[in-house]
Amino acid sequence: QGQLVQSGAEVKKPGASVRVSCKTSGYTFTDYYIYWVRQAPGQGLEWMGWINPRSGATKYAQKFQGWVTMTSDASINTAYMELMRPTSDDTAIYYCARDACRCHSFNVWGQGTMVTVSS
Amino acid sequence: QSALSQPASVSGSPGQSITISCTAATSDVDDYTFVSWHQQRPGEAPKLIIYDVFKRPQGVSNRFSGSKSANTASLTISGLQPEDEAEYHCSSYTGRNTWVFGGGTILTVL
Repeated sequence: QGQLVQSGAEVKKPGASVRVSCKTSGYTFTDYYIYWVRQAPGQGLEWMGWINPRSGATKYAQKFQGWVTMTSDASINTAYMELMRPTSDDTAIYYCARDACRCHSFNVWGQGTMVTVSS
Repeated sequence: QSALSQPASVSGSPGQSITISCTAATSDVDDYTFVSWHQQRPGEAPKLIIYDVFKRPQGVSNRFSGSKSANTASLTISGLQPEDEAEYHCSSYTGRNTWVFGGGTILTVL
């Protein structure tokens, strides 16, 4: 089913953009959407959006439109999620995931990337 | 406030059965056909245990079952075991090319 390996933890000051990467392996990168989900400390999961690596098309949850950008680079089988102008409320673990089983859900997950936004 | 409402916590004793509900706000979810459940242990990534309301991925115990009635989906765990202690998240495709999660339910095995 392949593997998703994310970049390491980040500590950023408020307003400084942060980019998280999700390197994939073991499957054809352009055949599956990559989804992004986050989890603030002690909170539930929050769906952020998806990118279609084949076309570059994206769809964001309304809350994230305008300040989250999802991109991908098929030459290195890697997807990216960038947060612009983050605040302390964006401190969370960010996960990439994919629907490898065509389950209308997410069955393969990255290990998560902790992003801390603090002055 | 999430479009999917779950109880914050449930508990049960080993061997018992428990059920976790997940109710959709119909104004936010047009298509409640594709409901799934994830199990998440502390410090780990979520694990898919139910999809399409009642289907189980390969390798998931048949002690986990899913169902749905109107706008409320349910996850039932039978024969509760200590290793079932975790947080359980429901999610759904909204019908608008987006997905939504519930707030999560912490299961305590007494």
